[in-house]
Amino acid sequence: EAGVTQFPSHSVIEKGQTVTLRCDPISGHDNLYWYRRVMGKEIKFLLHFVKESKQDESGMPNNRFLAERTGGTYSTLKVQPAELEDSGVYFCASSQDRVQETQYFGPGTRLLVL
Amino acid sequence: GQNIDQPTEMTATEGAIVQINCTYQTSGFNGLFWYQQHAGEAPTFLSYNVLDGLEEKGRFSSFLSRSKGYSYLLLKELQMKDSASYLCAVPGGWGKLQFGAGTQVVVTP
Repeated sequence: EAGVTQFPSHSVIEKGQTVTLRCDPISGHDNLYWYRRVMGKEIKFLLHFVKESKQDESGMPNNRFLAERTGGTYSTLKVQPAELEDSGVYFCASSQDRVQETQYFGPGTRLLVL
Repeated sequence: GQNIDQPTEMTATEGAIVQINCTYQTSGFNGLFWYQQHAGEAPTFLSYNVLDGLEEKGRFSSFLSRSKGYSYLLLKELQMKDSASYLCAVPGGWGKLQFGAGTQVVVTP
């Protein structure tokens, strides 16, 4: 069974540009989470989808971040326009159930904004 | 809110035992996870504790005391491949994980 995949693995963009990150969860997992780790800090929650619906987006930093989950399958996270402080590693995770269910993580997208 | 603390780094020699402590303060409790993360890779699941006590899984064991807000991950018979960051995480509302900053374990020959 394929794990969680993310694309691209790395992205280097200039301040003001737009970047779109993609996550493909494990097939059959209704729950999809986005997390971010900025340098020197802990991994922090961004938002949570249940199927195609946003369940919790309390961790989204500001309105420059837009997440979608088309048809309850893959998800995209768009940053527009990107700022220097958006640099970090963006992880996606999926699970079958919430709360006590194990979340399986993707390898992350390393974003560097110059 | 939740607060999770774990040491920044620990060093041990091959074949030794290392214990990584994690203390947490949560408004509710739905268990505690441990993940392992090698540099540049995805965090991978190690263990989940929701009841007090020790759970053993091969060379790795995890302990939980809910009354003390305390957990530890015990790594036995350390191998070089165990050099990694170990993350303590507590699920909050709707399952979103709150992570500690991670403990970097360095295994030396």
